[in-house]
Amino acid sequence: QQQVKQSPQSLIVQKGGISIINCAYENTAFDYFPWYQQFPGKGPALLIAIRPDVSEKKEGRFTISFNKSAKQFSLHIMDSQPGDSATYFCAASYRGTYKYIFGTGTRLKVLA
Amino acid sequence: NAGVTQTPKFQVLKTGQSMTLQCAQDMNHNSMYWYRQDPGMGLRLIYYSASEGTTDKGEVPNGYNVSRLNKREFSLRLESAAPSQTSVYFCASSEEASGIGSPLHFGNGTRLTVT
Repeated sequence: QQQVKQSPQSLIVQKGGISIINCAYENTAFDYFPWYQQFPGKGPALLIAIRPDVSEKKEGRFTISFNKSAKQFSLHIMDSQPGDSATYFCAASYRGTYKYIFGTGTRLKVLA
Repeated sequence: NAGVTQTPKFQVLKTGQSMTLQCAQDMNHNSMYWYRQDPGMGLRLIYYSASEGTTDKGEVPNGYNVSRLNKREFSLRLESAAPSQTSVYFCASSEEASGIGSPLHFGNGTRLTVT
């Protein structure tokens, strides 16, 4: 029940294309869903986050879509660029606590 | 502004040896965390410290101990290293508990190999 399942494990997209990464959770008590971006040799950094009271959040080329009934959320990267090549982690948390449950990560490669 | 600083960056240990991973943050954050990252496993919480003077177990605490030395520093100790502890260790901090506006800030990791 504590798991967050992330797919795909890896993704190759052409420059200018749309990258889509999906996550699913079981525990309906989760109420905070961040996405983290990690470049090789670096620690993860917060990219964008959403709470379940909205179905979509957009920041620049990055959008989170949230489907509360299906217990799924996804990251869409529009107009993907080679600089977006990184590993992306979804996560879930109970807001106000200290424990995040992370997905297993998606390694994205954007071809020039 | 350095953010979260971890030392060392790399370490090789023999089975049974001990070591301490150091972490310091300069953002005046209340909460600090230790995660390990393994291929196909994502990030798993080892221990966290909600505030100075407190520490709590995470998902995978066995084989580790922590010390919140002061508000800035949070160390992770392996008393008797095992090959299963080969991993990349990340320290993180946050201003407060999870939620919008209080993200985790990660260091750049310590790559530990136990032979």
